[in-house]
Amino acid sequence: RKEVEQDPGPFNVPEGATVAFNCTYSNSASQSFFWYRQDCRKEPKLLMSVYSSGNEDGRFTAQLNRASQYISLLIRDSKLSDSATYLCVVNMLVGGGADGLTFGKGTHLIIQP
Amino acid sequence: DTGVSQNPRHKITKRGQNVTFRCDPISEHNRLYWYRQTLGQGPEFLTYFQNEAQLEKSRLLSDRFSAERPKGSFSTLEIQRTEQGDSAMYLCASSLGGMGEKLFFGSGTQLSVL
Repeated sequence: RKEVEQDPGPFNVPEGATVAFNCTYSNSASQSFFWYRQDCRKEPKLLMSVYSSGNEDGRFTAQLNRASQYISLLIRDSKLSDSATYLCVVNMLVGGGADGLTFGKGTHLIIQP
Repeated sequence: DTGVSQNPRHKITKRGQNVTFRCDPISEHNRLYWYRQTLGQGPEFLTYFQNEAQLEKSRLLSDRFSAERPKGSFSTLEIQRTEQGDSAMYLCASSLGGMGEKLFFGSGTQLSVL
């Protein structure tokens, strides 16, 4: 089983719609979770951390389900500029060491006008 | 610009040549990481430094790869005797460290080995 798994997509979504995607992780002791955004031929940029109680940042909501070992990202009122690859990142080490940050392959999102 | 800086942006080399990339992290960040990313994949961890100390290396990092951070500031990644399979985007990132640490990436160096 791969450590961090994501549906690669692409997800084709009309502008203004709500879209959600999940990411599963294999290590139940994982401590920290993030969503990064990566535009085509650009570097990844932190979108948001994922907290145990769930958290929201504008149109973006992140959730963590420890029992089922997945995190989710929901985007409301999607904009054309949301088109990107969304990378799930999990720190797989109990102590949270830097080498434990594991990236998923990413989910490709295309917002269509 | 106070972000992470990498150069060169692009490098084309012939198989068997040596290449060196440079990364300048955000100045107050004591951790520096190297990742490799190929098309359709997420970044894969190669190695990281806490100040000038190299604390961890991935098994992906063969003996042809070496990284340094001599004064705890900028870092270099050298690949000796390049192979076509080394073609990838090499990303550098820096952070302040700690639990829940957030990485700030540079724009990367795209390596093409012919």
